[in-house]
Amino acid sequence: DIQMTQSPSTLSASVGDRVTITCRASQSISSWLAWYQQKPGKAPKLLIYKASSLESGVPSRFSGSGSGTEFTLTISSLQPDDFATYYCQQYNSLWTFGQGTKVEIK
Amino acid sequence: EVQLLESGGGLVQPGGSLTLSCAASGFTFSSYAMNWVRQAPGKGLEWVSYISGGGDNTYFADSVRGRFTISRDNSKNTLYLQMNSPRAEDTAVYYCTQVTTEVIRNWGQGTLVTVSS
Repeated sequence: DIQMTQSPSTLSASVGDRVTITCRASQSISSWLAWYQQKPGKAPKLLIYKASSLESGVPSRFSGSGSGTEFTLTISSLQPDDFATYYCQQYNSLWTFGQGTKVEIK
Repeated sequence: EVQLLESGGGLVQPGGSLTLSCAASGFTFSSYAMNWVRQAPGKGLEWVSYISGGGDNTYFADSVRGRFTISRDNSKNTLYLQMNSPRAEDTAVYYCTQVTTEVIRNWGQGTLVTVSS
């Protein structure tokens, strides 16, 4: 089974900050990686797929990069609506999620 | 607009059984694979099960294999998850999701299953 490890688990930031979340896979997954945003009591929302493709309707301040085993999600200028929990997920072999990164207000 | 509406959650005793349903609309249901994904209270996301568009291929997470069954009725645009012999650790919100080229793209609002005596 492929394991996904995110860091950090919690991130404190201010509006306007540049934020980066890292995700590592236990083996190569090529670019078969997605990022989701989840707010309390709501279903997750797809942000990025195939490591760097922005889902339709998602603001351009979100970007993804990486391939193989190392990936990053970057929010270029954090907005009030972006305080949430973010999950990476591999879909190279079935589906596995990272443990999540909570982005909170500093 | 894709809509996925789960139902059937509730309280179930350990060792009992429960069937979840997901009514799909806004897309050609039979053309898309579907997944169930769950989230225990205060915890992260866990993939549970997959079914192909025609229903002929299914996969399960190790944690539920042999206890849960996934199925679909394409004539009714409905996805199912039959939970047999549930355990306390199966307590979670269960999400019905649409898969497009292996990406979990659309999610339902979720239905809460509580396993307790």
